[in-house]
Amino acid sequence: GAGVSQSPSNKVTEKGKDVELRCDPISGHTALYWYRQSLGQGLEFLIYFQGNSAPDKSGLPSDRFSAERTGGSVSTLTIQRTQQEDSAVYLCASSPQVSNEKLFFGSGTQLSVL
Amino acid sequence: AQTVTQSQPEMSVQEAETVTLSCTYDTSENNYYLFWYKQPPSRQMILVIRQEAYKQQNATENRFSVNFQKAAKSFSLKISDSQLGDTAMYFCAFIFYNNNDMRFGAGTRLTVKP
Repeated sequence: GAGVSQSPSNKVTEKGKDVELRCDPISGHTALYWYRQSLGQGLEFLIYFQGNSAPDKSGLPSDRFSAERTGGSVSTLTIQRTQQEDSAVYLCASSPQVSNEKLFFGSGTQLSVL
Repeated sequence: AQTVTQSQPEMSVQEAETVTLSCTYDTSENNYYLFWYKQPPSRQMILVIRQEAYKQQNATENRFSVNFQKAAKSFSLKISDSQLGDTAMYFCAFIFYNNNDMRFGAGTRLTVKP
């Protein structure tokens, strides 16, 4: 696609429910990144993918968070048993290759956990 | 680990005037990139300017320029002739060469007043 696409744009859920956030990177970009932006905070690195593999999962805040990427394209970030502190904007970015410094960001998913 | 600090949570400037946003970082490495990203209300992060650490010359992009002081680990952004459309959150960011973890500061909310 022309840019990084994220869906849904906004998601409201109840505490304890599972949510899936989707990221569709720019076609051909091999690297994909997930960041979390809490209200008034900077961007917190969560995970990156090189192709379909995720060499570094250390940024995921708890075992309730998981992510996968299939076909070297679309990625899904899953949060199980959501908590109110999970409320944030989740941003996805892609770049042409790993270790390329230029990131292209999507518009994020605003997650609100009630 | 490298950290990025933006000490100004909020700033304002009159239209057509000049404003400088501060950023400091902490690393013992020599090879890295520095960035300023703009995040308007649409949430999409937009690259404003980038600087390669090995280059002594300060990067410039139209009305945007940086003051890169490598020894002081300082990377400030100057916006000249401020425009209403410059109103946004501005994030300073850092990444090592051949690394996959871009680190962001907490951001500075800039308001341009008419």
